[in-house]
Formats: sequence, C-alpha cells, structure tokens
Amino acid sequence: EIVLTQSPGTLSLSPGERATLSCRASQSVSSSFLAWYQQKPGQAPRLLIYGASSRATGIPDRFSGSGSGTDFTLTISRLEPEDFAVYSCQQYGGLSWTFGQGTKVEIK
Amino acid sequence: EVQLLESGGGLVQPGGSLRLSCATSGFTFSSYAMTWVRQAPGKGLEWISAISGSGGSTYYADSVRGRFTISRDNSKNTLYLQVNSLRAEDTAVYYCAIPYLPLNYFDHWGQGTQVTVSS
Repeated sequence: EIVLTQSPGTLSLSPGERATLSCRASQSVSSSFLAWYQQKPGQAPRLLIYGASSRATGIPDRFSGSGSGTDFTLTISRLEPEDFAVYSCQQYGGLSWTFGQGTKVEIK
Repeated sequence: EVQLLESGGGLVQPGGSLRLSCATSGFTFSSYAMTWVRQAPGKGLEWISAISGSGGSTYYADSVRGRFTISRDNSKNTLYLQVNSLRAEDTAVYYCAIPYLPLNYFDHWGQGTQVTVSS
C-alpha cells in the first residue's frame, strides 16, 4: 500500500499570503492518479485538483497543483478567508485508494 | 444534479452490526463504480470499500476485510455497507463517493453518516 505523508501538519498564515502544502508518497505515484481535496468542519471533502495539476470545475485559479513521482505540491497563491481549512492528497493504485493525513491551514 | 444521501449510522456496542445505505439520484447509477470512505474523529480520510457498477466485483481495505460487506441494488439506485463485528476504532463518519474513472478521483460525496461504537 502506498502511504502518503503530508507536511506540515498545520500551516499558520494570514489572508493574502501564499500557502505551499506537500504530499510525499512512499513509492512512485502516477500523476494521473493524484488528487487534492479541501475539507471544512462538518462538511464532506471538496475536490480541488485531479491528475496532479488539473483544477476541478469551479475551483479558483489561485489553487494550483504540481509534482511527479513521489513529491507533489498544492499551492494557494493568495489565501482568501474561505481557504482556511484542511487539505488532503489522495492517490489511486493497485485497486485501492489512499489519502494523506491532511494539512490544516489556519489563520495566523 | 448528482445527489448522494447516506443513512443508517448510529450508536452501537462493540461487536454489533449496522447497515449503512447511500441513496443516489441524478446519474445512471448502474454505470458507475461506488466507494465508501470513512473519517475517524480528528483523523484523515480512509478508503474502505469499492464495488463495480454491476456489483460483480468488490474491493476492501485490509482494515475491514472479512467484517464489512459492500453491495448495491441498481433497481433502487442505492449502495449499501453491512458493517459487522464493530470495534471502537470503526467509530467514524462514513461517506459514499463516486470514483470517476479512469483517473479515480472523487468528485461527488454524500454528507456522511456517523457511526459510534461504544459500550
């Protein structure tokens, strides 16, 4: 099973700042199968990025994804108040899906 | 509009059972594989089971294999998860979600149903 490790666990930033979130895989992941989600308390996850770098429908262009192999990054160029949430990466491989443990982006 | 609505969660004693349901609408249910994903309190998301559109193929995470059974009724557009031999560590919000092939990401999720295992 591929393990996804996200860092940092918590990111304390102010609105307008840039957020850089990391997702590292225990073995190489196909970029096609790497996705990112946003989750707010009491809500289901919301798809942000699929295929490592493609934005989902309706996702603002301040969200971008990059990376390949074992290292992937989600970048939020300028944090808006509604962006403070938990972000999780997800991969598919070997007839199973795995998620990272999440990075919380909190208001500093 | 795609809609997924889970139900059937609740408080159950260790060793007990529940049947979770996910009622769907807004898409051709039988054409899509479906999955269950759970989230324990304060923890990350965990995929636990998937089923093909026909129901002929099922897949499980090691943590639930042998205790949980996924099934579907395509005539009712409903997905199920029979959860048996429940343990405290099964306490979580259980979501149904659609894996969009071939890239296997989840674009639609239900709102979740809470399962609490406690004596």
